[in-house]
This record gives sequence, C-alpha cells and structure tokens, in this order.
Amino acid sequence: EAGVAQSPRYKIIEKRQSVAFWCNPISGHATLYWYQQILGQGPKLLIQFQNNGVVDDSQLPKDRFSAERLKGVDSTLKIQPAKLEDSAVYLCASTFLTSYNSPLHFGNGTRLTVT
Amino acid sequence: DQQVKQNSPSLSVQEGRISILNCDYTNSMFDYFLWYKKYPAEGPTFLISISSIKDKNEDGRFTVFLNKSAKHLSLHIVPSQPGDSAVYFCAASGYTGTASKLTFGTGTRLQVTL
Repeated sequence: EAGVAQSPRYKIIEKRQSVAFWCNPISGHATLYWYQQILGQGPKLLIQFQNNGVVDDSQLPKDRFSAERLKGVDSTLKIQPAKLEDSAVYLCASTFLTSYNSPLHFGNGTRLTVT
Repeated sequence: DQQVKQNSPSLSVQEGRISILNCDYTNSMFDYFLWYKKYPAEGPTFLISISSIKDKNEDGRFTVFLNKSAKHLSLHIVPSQPGDSAVYFCAASGYTGTASKLTFGTGTRLQVTL
C-alpha cells in the first residue's frame, strides 16, 4: 500500500510570511494527525481529525495555525504569519482504526525553516 | 511538562551486543506504550507496543518491558545490528478527557558500531 504522502519536503520562508503543507493519508484511513517536531524534541500533536471533523486541536496555536480536511481525505495545515519558533518538521500521520492504541503511519514530513 | 522522558539522548553499542533503551513516564492514566524508530529524513515507523495489562512483549529481536509501579519501560534489541542505528522514540497513549492522545519522548539516538 502507498504510504502517507506529504509535500513539500522542504520549505524556507521569512518570518511573517505564510506557508501551507499538504498531506494525503493512506487510503481508507479515517483518522489523520498533524504533529510538530522541533529539533531535539519528540513529535507534538497539533490536531487530530476523524474523517472531516476535528477530534482534538487543544495544542494548535489557533491565532496563527489552521488546518482542514474538507472531504475527509487530504488535509492542509497552514501557518500565517510564521514565527522563528515555528521552524520544525511537520509530520502527518494516519490510522485505519479509531482505537487510540492503533499505531500511527507517518509521512516523511515537511521541514520548515523560518528566517 | 514532559510526561514521557527518555533521559539518554544517545547510546552506542557494538554489533551483536544488547541495546537497552529506557523510558519513564509520569502520567498514571497512560495505558498503552509504543516504540517508534526514525531514520534521518524519514517519518517515524512503528516498532513494537505493549498494553499496561502486560509486562513484556516480544517481536523477534525486539522486546519491550513495562514496570508499571516504577512507571518505566525499556526496549531491548538483541542482537544489535548496524541497521538498527536510528533515533528511537518512546510514546504513551491514554485518554485525556477529550480524546486519546499519543505523547512522545524526546528520543534516544542509537548507534550500532561494527
């Protein structure tokens, strides 16, 4: 099966600019996650979707971050305006089962550098 | 508040020897634990997991041990191989009141030398 696809792989922007990341989960996976991984830290959950509904966005900085999954398949994560501290790898993951102990399937991530 | 801690940022082990990676957690509501392996420029991949009702789970060269009273788990790799060189993340799962959430540790970089 094809894995989780993410694009772009790398992005360099200046602070205060906007950026968007795209994710296509594994076919049939209802649950989609966006994680932020800052260098030297573990991945931190930003938002979780179940189909096209938000399950948990408690750690999403909503003043600058937004995410959508309109048709319950692809998802887009946007940052506007970006700050220096947003430099990180943004990982998308998906699972087939809704059970919370289902292992996540991660994409290769988008490395964002904010200058 | 780091609820999942991996206190060793790096570990170097000779090929053929045992690698032991440790993880501690503070939240007693966690009831499922996973290990992920990450190569450079790739996303983490699932390695092995354990439920809180067990104290050991084995899959080939990989064994995870859970000590609930100490809130500690460890991953044993025997024998270690050069291809095991990667960053290993411990993760813990449990309901937080609104939804399930997977909390990751900061990772341990394992280097297996020849």
